[in-house]
Amino acid sequence: AQSVAQPEDQVNVAEGNPLTVKCTYSVSGNPYLFWYVQYPNRGLQFLLKYITGDNLVKGSYGFEAEFNKSQTSFHLKKPSALVSDSALYFCAVWDMNRDDKIIFGKGTRLHILP
Amino acid sequence: DAGITQSPRHKVTETGTPVTLRCHQTENHRYMYWYRQDPGHGLRLIHYSYGVKDTDKGEVSDGYSVSRSKTEDFLLTLESATSSQTSVYFCAISEGLANTGELFFGEGSRLTVL
Repeated sequence: AQSVAQPEDQVNVAEGNPLTVKCTYSVSGNPYLFWYVQYPNRGLQFLLKYITGDNLVKGSYGFEAEFNKSQTSFHLKKPSALVSDSALYFCAVWDMNRDDKIIFGKGTRLHILP
Repeated sequence: DAGITQSPRHKVTETGTPVTLRCHQTENHRYMYWYRQDPGHGLRLIHYSYGVKDTDKGEVSDGYSVSRSKTEDFLLTLESATSSQTSVYFCAISEGLANTGELFFGEGSRLTVL
């Protein structure tokens, strides 16, 4: 069965510093990997995805993520954090050899400190 | 923003009563999903639909049923609500994960079962 783990419930980063939000996954086949962001009292918004190709994927709002097949990881990164990046971030995985179900992690709350 | 409307947005009900949540889309997307969001659990898939009258179970389907009689509407029913079903429910739509690899989310429906 496919699964995704976000080992940190919360990450605190000073504004201007680089940030990393961690994600590891488990699938039996080839993974599609996603990052979504949720602002207070809103639905989730798509940030970026990895399907195939370059291991470094660029997405919205200056975020990027690095796919590492050997470590089964897909960490979200940003070179310089903004206070407005404070939100709840979800990693998700889809096993493309199975049905159309995306499985989400438990989420990581990102606090950017001014 | 994708045209997804969830109703009601807020509902308080009593244990044992039936509840129906509605998701309406104007995008003509084939796939529709119901997730619930709970602290410490992230997003968990309840049911999803891959076409009119075609549905399948997700991770936490017990106590829930769904129906999709039209492309644009996906209903989630709690036949006899329990306190453990107090949650925020999100509807999502997709053209197909193999096509765009992206889910579009509604704004959520907050359900409280007393």
